Amino acid sequence: DGGITQSPKYLFRKEGQNVTLSCEQNLNHDAMYWYRQDPGQGLRLIYYSQIVNDFQKGDIAEGYSVSREKKESFPLTVTSAQKNPTAFYLCASSWGTGSEAFFGQGTRLTVV
Amino acid sequence: AQRVTQPEKLLSVFKGAPVELKCNYSYSGSPELFWYVQYSRQRLQLLLRHISRESIKGFTADLNKGETSFHLKKPFAQEEDSAMYYCALGSGGSNYKLTFGKGTLLTVNP
Repeated sequence: DGGITQSPKYLFRKEGQNVTLSCEQNLNHDAMYWYRQDPGQGLRLIYYSQIVNDFQKGDIAEGYSVSREKKESFPLTVTSAQKNPTAFYLCASSWGTGSEAFFGQGTRLTVV
Repeated sequence: AQRVTQPEKLLSVFKGAPVELKCNYSYSGSPELFWYVQYSRQRLQLLLRHISRESIKGFTADLNKGETSFHLKKPFAQEEDSAMYYCALGSGGSNYKLTFGKGTLLTVNP
């Protein structure tokens, strides 16, 4: 079954803890993206990567970190420095410039 | 910096009425524009892109570089069109990224 998979679907963490969200794709896409979706805010870009071992900060990168060691994987770590981490996180992948982005089902992170 | 503006958070129309979802963008280079749609309990998915100049599910969108707009239109709305619609801008050349607007929730009433 081809596609992009995010796990887990729901995640609960205590304040002050780092947490890592998984994003895996088997579409052989070069580009991968992380977005944060909040009510009334649309999708805001956190980090993106066009190629393995390279990534760029998006519009709201503070308090987040990523790695791109493998083409198929782009994990996102929400660190304790993120002031308001409770949100819905979406991962996407695409062939790159001008091509359709395919989205995962999202991870809802709740920090208590 | 690139920016996408969708001025309407909510749009409500009756079945059979025309619908237009507005999108304006800000980008100094040559833009690539998209419309994505998210139906209830489904993944966000591509509806159409300006480069294809196609009509999907009766929707069309024309890129107007003079007005920096990419409005989404459908002459006769259907109840199944009810969804969240996002306009997106692709930009950046070698550091290509996809920037989304805040979205418009379309409700088509029977």
